[in-house]
Amino acid sequence: EPEVTQTPSHQVTQMGQEVILRCVPISNHLYFYWYRQILGQKVEFLVSFYNNEISEKSEIFDDQFSVERPDGSNFTLKIRSTKLEDSAMYFCASRQGISTFGSGTRLTVV
Amino acid sequence: GEDVEQSLFLSVREGDSSVINCTYTDSSSTYLYWYKQEPGAGLQLLTYIFSNMDMKQDQRLTVLLNKKDKHLSLRIADTQTGDSAIYFCAENGAGGSQGNLIFGKGTKLSVKP
Repeated sequence: EPEVTQTPSHQVTQMGQEVILRCVPISNHLYFYWYRQILGQKVEFLVSFYNNEISEKSEIFDDQFSVERPDGSNFTLKIRSTKLEDSAMYFCASRQGISTFGSGTRLTVV
Repeated sequence: GEDVEQSLFLSVREGDSSVINCTYTDSSSTYLYWYKQEPGAGLQLLTYIFSNMDMKQDQRLTVLLNKKDKHLSLRIADTQTGDSAIYFCAENGAGGSQGNLIFGKGTKLSVKP
């Protein structure tokens, strides 16, 4: 069964550093998403991406965040100047009808 | 705005049925989902229901949708200890080309032997 693949599974970074979280969506899907789950809280929508541009973003997705589809397969989330409160599980999803989620990247900012 | 509500905890005995309930606010939702999350793990799609359906059954799982009351439930028959996890209800609130999901806070299911 097709999967959404996320790398790395865990990332530890120093406060103030930039991180790039990577995702490979399912190949025939056209819509891509990033979500965030702070420990013990619910999953929150960050951004959706379609036709090589952002189609919607939440209040959380400010100038600290950016997304990119640098080639035909990868979909990345860049977080600049990381803060302690950016520590969370970040999920990528892709959709063609039904959303399929990756297994997530656990980001820890120290 | 759009919101999804779930009770936070449910405890059942092994072999009993579990029923997890969810209410949502966006009547334009096209799909409603149930995801399972085990400790430290990702989101596993359990099942989903299209908004023009009332019920969907998939092995031990039964989803009931009351669109008038905007109420969704997940019934797990013959609950096993391996079913212990957090269960998230989600709606496809925006539909169309956006389709970002709105999640509830999750119901933690504890199954006692």
